[in-house]
Amino acid sequence: DAGVIQSPRHEVTEMGQEVTLRCKPISGHNSLFWYRQTMMRGLELLIYFNNNVPIDDSGMPEDRFSAKMPNASFSTLKIQPSEPRDSAVYFCASSLDGRGPQYFGPGTRLLVL
Amino acid sequence: GESVGLHLPTLSVQEGDNSIINCAYSNSASDYFIWYKQESGKGPQFIIDIRSNMDKRQGQRVTVLLNKTVKHLSLQIAATQPGDSAVYFCAEIATDSWGKFQFGAGTQVVVTP
Repeated sequence: DAGVIQSPRHEVTEMGQEVTLRCKPISGHNSLFWYRQTMMRGLELLIYFNNNVPIDDSGMPEDRFSAKMPNASFSTLKIQPSEPRDSAVYFCASSLDGRGPQYFGPGTRLLVL
Repeated sequence: GESVGLHLPTLSVQEGDNSIINCAYSNSASDYFIWYKQESGKGPQFIIDIRSNMDKRQGQRVTVLLNKTVKHLSLQIAATQPGDSAVYFCAEIATDSWGKFQFGAGTQVVVTP
C-alpha cells in the first residue's frame, strides 16, 4: 500500500502567485481531508470530502482557498492569490468512511515569500 | 529569530524506560480516540485507537488507557527507543461529528541514551 501521496513535497512561491497542492488518497478510502499545520495554530481541518463531495468547508480560511475532488483518486487544494501568512505544512489524509482512523500523507511544505 | 508558537509540553525519557503521555479531552460526547505519532518532517502516523466501550487497548509496545469519568486518555510506550522520539497527538471525535476529529496540541517526547 503506497499510502496517501502528496505533491509537491516543497513549494516556494512569491506572494500573489497561484499554488496548487495535490493529493492521491489510499485506494478504497471514501473520505478525504485537507489540513494545515503551523507552529501557531497546530493542526487545523480545512475541508473534507466524502465520496468526492465536499461535506464541510467551514475550516477554509477565506475565498482565496478552494478544493476539488474530481474523482475518487485525486484532490487539489488551490490558493489564489497566495500570501505570506499561508506559509505552513498542508496535509492530506484519507479514511475508509470518515468514522475511523485517518491516514496522513507526508505533507507539502509551502513557503510564500 | 526564534519563532513564537505553540509551547508543546516535553517528556524526556531515558532509553529503555517506559513513557506515559497524557491527554485531557473536553467533549463528554467523544466516543472514539486515536493516538498519532509525528516525526520531524513527516505526517502524523496512526498508532492506536480506542472506542468508549473500552478502557484499555494494547498494541505492540503501546497501551492506550481511557478514563471517561475524568475525560482522560493516556498512551504508554514500553521500553522506549530512540525511534520513539516524536510529537504525539491525541485525537477525539463524537459519532455525530463525522470526520471532524479534535486534535490535541501534542507532547514532544525526547528519548535520551
